Amino acid sequence: DGGITQSPKYLFRKEGQNVTLSCEQNLNHDAMYWYRQDPGQGLRLIYYSQIVNDFQKGDIAEGYSVSREKKESFPLTVTSAQKNPTAFYLCASSSDRGSGGYTFGSGTRLTVV
Amino acid sequence: EDQVTQSPEALRLQEGESSSLNCSYTVSGLRGLFWYRQDPGKGPEFLFTLYSAGEEKEKERLKATLTKKESFLHITAPKPEDSATYLCAVQDSGSNYKLTFGKGTLLTVNP
Repeated sequence: DGGITQSPKYLFRKEGQNVTLSCEQNLNHDAMYWYRQDPGQGLRLIYYSQIVNDFQKGDIAEGYSVSREKKESFPLTVTSAQKNPTAFYLCASSSDRGSGGYTFGSGTRLTVV
Repeated sequence: EDQVTQSPEALRLQEGESSSLNCSYTVSGLRGLFWYRQDPGKGPEFLFTLYSAGEEKEKERLKATLTKKESFLHITAPKPEDSATYLCAVQDSGSNYKLTFGKGTLLTVNP
C-alpha cells in the first residue's frame, strides 16, 4: 500500500543536540511538507519542497533544516538553535499543487530531556 | 494573511445526538477547503475537499458544506468511534501547495 512513513515514532533529545526525523513516501508525490503541532495550536508549516533539490521556508523555519535529495525522502533536522523543540512533528505529501489535499504520516513525538 | 477559525474548541455529544462543527475562513481566493480527522497520537486522515460555495460532500455519518465564508461539518447520529479532533484547512489560490490549518474541534461522543 502507498503511504508515508515517519520514523522514529518517539525521539528524545538532549540539550544542545541535533536530531533528524525521517520521512519517506511511496506515493510518487512531487511535494512534501513538515508541520509542527503543539497542544491548543493549529499545524504550523516548517518547510516544504515542491521538487527534488529545492525547498522553501515555511512560517516557523528557524532552528530547523531539511534536504530533498530524492523524490521519496524529506528528512527534517531539529538543530540546537531550536529553543523549544518539544512537539509532535508531521510529514505530509501531495500532488497537483496540493489541490487534492495532503497525505500525512503518523508523526514523530520529540521530547527534550 | 489566511486565517482559519474553528468552533467550538470542544464538543461533547451523546451517541445519536446530531450536531455541526464550524470552520470560518479568510482567504484572498479559495482554491480548496479541506476537512481532516485526527485521532490522538496519529497523523490527520483526509475526509473531504470542497472547492466552491454550495458544494456538499458526504461520507457515512459526516456531511461537509461550504459557503463563501465558512464550512460546516455535520455529524448525524454520531457513534463513540466518531470521537476525534476534526481539523479544517484552506488553500489560498495565490499560494502554491501551502495549507493553513485551524486549531481543530475535539469531538467526544459518549455511549
